[in-house]
Amino acid sequence: RKEVEQDPGPFNVPEGATVAFNCTYSNSASQSFFWYRQDCRKEPKLLMSVYSSGNEDGRFTAQLNRASQYISLLIRDSKLSDSATYLCVVNSGSSNTGKLIFGQGTTLQVKP
Amino acid sequence: NAGVMQNPRHLVRRRGQEARLRCSPMKGHSHVYWYRQLPEEGLKFMVYLQKENIIDESGMPKERFSAEFPKEGPSILRIQQVVRGDSAAYFCASSPGGRDGYTFGSGTRLTVV
Repeated sequence: RKEVEQDPGPFNVPEGATVAFNCTYSNSASQSFFWYRQDCRKEPKLLMSVYSSGNEDGRFTAQLNRASQYISLLIRDSKLSDSATYLCVVNSGSSNTGKLIFGQGTTLQVKP
Repeated sequence: NAGVMQNPRHLVRRRGQEARLRCSPMKGHSHVYWYRQLPEEGLKFMVYLQKENIIDESGMPKERFSAEFPKEGPSILRIQQVVRGDSAAYFCASSPGGRDGYTFGSGTRLTVV
């Protein structure tokens, strides 16, 4: 079983749609969770951290369910510029300092 | 405050040559991580270093690959006797530690011909 699993997609949605990505992780000791965005094989960029209480940043909402070891990202009112690969990222163990494990990524294509 | 600096951006090597990839972390960051991304694949962890110490090298191939982060200067990822299968994008990231995510450099695209 992969440490971080994501549906690779692609998700093809029209502008203005709401789209949700899910991710599961295998290490119950993990403490830090993130969503990164990667455009066209460029460097990944931090989109947002994910907290147990859930957090929102504009059109983006991230949620964490520790019991189910499940992370989600919701994008509302999709823009063309949201087209990218979204990476679910989890730290490898009980320490907050250490390697991050990346999922394969979910590809989103927003169409006009 | 410059971000994570990687050089070169592109590197072409013939089979059997050595490749040296450099990474200067963000100012104030003492943790450096190297990742490899093969074509059409996700990012795979290679090694985690702090100044003068390798903390976790569980993702490094057993042969030909080495990494260092000296007291002075950038972190270096060294690949000896490169083969075609080493062609990939190599990303370096740094962090100050704690709960913060990483900041990535622009990567080095290695092509072995």
